[in-house]
Amino acid sequence: AQSVTQLGSHVSVSEGALVLLRCNYSSSVPPYLFWYVQYPNQGLQLLLKYTTGATLVKGINGFEAEFKKSETSFHLTKPSAHMSDAAEYFCAVSNSNTGNQFYFGTGTSLTVIP
Amino acid sequence: EAQVTQNPRYLITVTGKKLTVTCSQNMNHEYMSWYRQDPGLGLRQIYYSMNVEVTDKGDVPEGYKVSRKEKRNFPLILESPSPNQTSLYFCASSSRGPSSYGYTFGSGTRLTVV
Repeated sequence: AQSVTQLGSHVSVSEGALVLLRCNYSSSVPPYLFWYVQYPNQGLQLLLKYTTGATLVKGINGFEAEFKKSETSFHLTKPSAHMSDAAEYFCAVSNSNTGNQFYFGTGTSLTVIP
Repeated sequence: EAQVTQNPRYLITVTGKKLTVTCSQNMNHEYMSWYRQDPGLGLRQIYYSMNVEVTDKGDVPEGYKVSRKEKRNFPLILESPSPNQTSLYFCASSSRGPSSYGYTFGSGTRLTVV
């Protein structure tokens, strides 16, 4: 069985500060990992994904995430927060064996303080 | 523009009155899915379809029906809505399976059942 845990349902950072959103996963086989962003009144957009290969993945809007197998983590970071980054962020896990099963975390709401 | 279109965006209805939420994608995607989003619970899969005439239950299928008669359309049907189906609903599509390719999401349908 697979699952995703996002630590912290609400995170606040100052504009220009580091953004760190935490995601830990549980999977019995090598996972595929995703981060999605949801802006107010919109659907989810894919930020980045890890399937195989390089463990540091770069996405849109300056975000990146690193797959750490030993820590079963896939934390999302951005060096300098911008006001436009305020949104809800979802981590998700799947794998090559069960393509129909795609599990989302409960989400982290990011607030950026001017 | 490649997109998933849901209608309506907002809907208020009464208990027991059948309703349909439409979903259409213009990307020739094989895989389509419906999710509901509730505070603190993240996104939970209702139904999915791997291709025309192929549908299967997700994690929370009770009280919902779907059909996939054409590749582009995947309507969600609530035969007898109840207040516990008040939620934000998302349709999503993927070219061959979300595990490798991720999802493209619609903008959502906010349903209130009174």
